[in-house]
Amino acid sequence: GAGVSQSPRYKVAKRGQDVALRCDPISGHVSLFWYQQALGQGPEFLTYFQNEAQLDKSGLPSDRFFAERPEGSVSTLKIQRTQQEDSAVYLCASSLERGQGAETQYFGPGTRLLVL
Amino acid sequence: DAKTTQPPSMDCAEGRAANLPCNHSTISGNEYVYWYRQIHSQGPQYIIHGLKNNETNEMASLIITEDRKSSTLILPHATLRDTAVYYCIVNSGGSNYKLTFGKGTLLTVNP
Repeated sequence: GAGVSQSPRYKVAKRGQDVALRCDPISGHVSLFWYQQALGQGPEFLTYFQNEAQLDKSGLPSDRFFAERPEGSVSTLKIQRTQQEDSAVYLCASSLERGQGAETQYFGPGTRLLVL
Repeated sequence: DAKTTQPPSMDCAEGRAANLPCNHSTISGNEYVYWYRQIHSQGPQYIIHGLKNNETNEMASLIITEDRKSSTLILPHATLRDTAVYYCIVNSGGSNYKLTFGKGTLLTVNP
């Protein structure tokens, strides 16, 4: 079946521009996660949704970062007034549900953001 | 989450078994051991996970020691396409939903 998809795959932005990154999770997956991956590092957690509710945004690096999932499916990560340090790969993951025990997270291909 | 320790890099000959170790000496009783890999320019790909027993699927085998303080991911017949960074993660799920990635092991499969 279809996996997690993300768009765009690549984005070049001038410093100060706003960007919006889209994530289409696997159909029926309740949980959705955003991670940020800097060059040469492992992914780091940004935020978590259960359906449309954003239950954890503790990993968002600043108030310039905003995420939403209004209908409990597609999610958008928005970065306002981009800075060079925002350059990274932004990964989206989804899992079937948040219940007892561990739930496998399935990742999309990521959006590579370069801020000039 | 308990921390994991992995070697930064390993090499393997094509067609041979690749055995990737992971130490997780502070793992809690309800924490699973997960393995993901990330091929260059792609998102992390789930491989396998286990709690106590050894597990096998079409991609790999996971061997967890009896004391659960370490594990080994086995790719039985490595191919060039298995060259990737392999991440070992411990996670209990529930309220502990964040995956904490370390730097992983860069496995290079050589022809």
